[in-house]
This record gives sequence, C-alpha cells and structure tokens, in this order.
Amino acid sequence: QIQLAQSGPEVKKPGASVKVSCKTSGYTFTSHGISWVRQAPGQSLEWLAWINPWNGNTLHADNFRGRLTMTTDTSTSTAYMELRTLTPDDSAVYYCARETRFGEVGPLDFWGQGTLVTVSS
Amino acid sequence: QVVVTQSPSASASLGASVTLTCTLSSGHWRYDVAWHQQHPEKGPRFLLRVNSDGSHTRGDGIPDRFSGSTSGTERYLTIFSLQSDDEAVYYCQTWGNGAQVFGGGTKLTVL
Repeated sequence: QIQLAQSGPEVKKPGASVKVSCKTSGYTFTSHGISWVRQAPGQSLEWLAWINPWNGNTLHADNFRGRLTMTTDTSTSTAYMELRTLTPDDSAVYYCARETRFGEVGPLDFWGQGTLVTVSS
Repeated sequence: QVVVTQSPSASASLGASVTLTCTLSSGHWRYDVAWHQQHPEKGPRFLLRVNSDGSHTRGDGIPDRFSGSTSGTERYLTIFSLQSDDEAVYYCQTWGNGAQVFGGGTKLTVL
C-alpha cells in the first residue's frame, strides 16, 4: 500500500535549519509530485512548496521562496525539505503529501504522519 | 489567487446526515476541490475530490457515506449515517496558478 513515512521530531534554536525526510513506498516515486504542508498548533493547513521528483521542478509559496529547499533521492524514493533561518513562528507539524497529478499541483491523496518541529531558544 | 472559506463549526446527530460547505472566492467557479479529514493529533486523510461539474471521486477505502456536490462556487461534502468517528476537522483544498490553497477547516461535532 502507499505510504509516506516522515522523520522524527526536531528541536531547533532560532536561526538554525531543519531538514525533514519523507520516504515513500507503494507507488512509482517519479510519477507523482510531492507537496509540503505545515500546521501550526490549533491552526489550519498551510502549503509551503511542491517538487516534481522526475525532473526536480519546484514551486514555492511566496512566503518561503528563498528560505525553503526541496530535494529528492530517486534511488530511495525519498523527498527532503530543508527550512532555514528558523524562528519560533516556524514551530509546527510539517507534512509531506503525494500529489495525484504528475506535472503540476493538484489534489493531495496520501499524507505522511507529520514531523513536529519546535523552534525555541 | 483563489480564497477558500469554510464555516468554523458544524454539528449533527449520530445517524443523521450533515453537509459541509466550501466556498471559493468570486469568479473561481471552475475550480475543483479536495476534502480532507483530520482527527485530533493525527495527519489529514484524503476523502474525495469534488469537480466543478458536480462529479466526485472518493479516495482509497473511503465509504460511500461520503459524497460531494457542487453549486456555483460552492463545493459540498455530505456525510450520511453519521458515526462517532466522523467527529473531526474537515479541510477543503483547491489548487491553481502554481499553488495549493486550504480553507480554515470545519470542526464537526457528532451529537
């Protein structure tokens, strides 16, 4: 079955970077995009960015362009998201999610379990 | 950019039906949406896609108690025969112009 397994919780100091992994299985990794979404405590979902694992094309929400980098490792079907220059406002659960579409954003049909990132001095 | 609006809360009785509404901003009537369910302390789960033509497609393993429909810029999620496990937050998601957009979510209480 399709699964997206994310890395464990992280605690970071302000100004640091965090890298979250998302290991996929059960489908052809390069046939679907991956979106990254976060959820601050008690808040709604916020889309961060998208990557096409086949060709590396990316899209970013305006607020994260320049501060967020995504990569993929097709040999392990794993996607990575790195967020730099962290502030306490970046404390949230970060999710990866599979896009149903191949070359552009669309419905998200499978989600990872989430990675809690806490930013505190 | 499209804006997605959802009522913050809804309630209905066990065994009854409830319809949740997702409203797209003016002029965005061609947009499709996806509905996701989130239980406390859990990740979201995809329920179904609702198209602008009123058709819908459920996700893997989603029972037919969950149904979608459309009217203009409104996209609906109807849940029939409510069960206690349906108590959750329901998010509406749409996409376009190189971005994803989520609504604020509707917290459904099953009485």
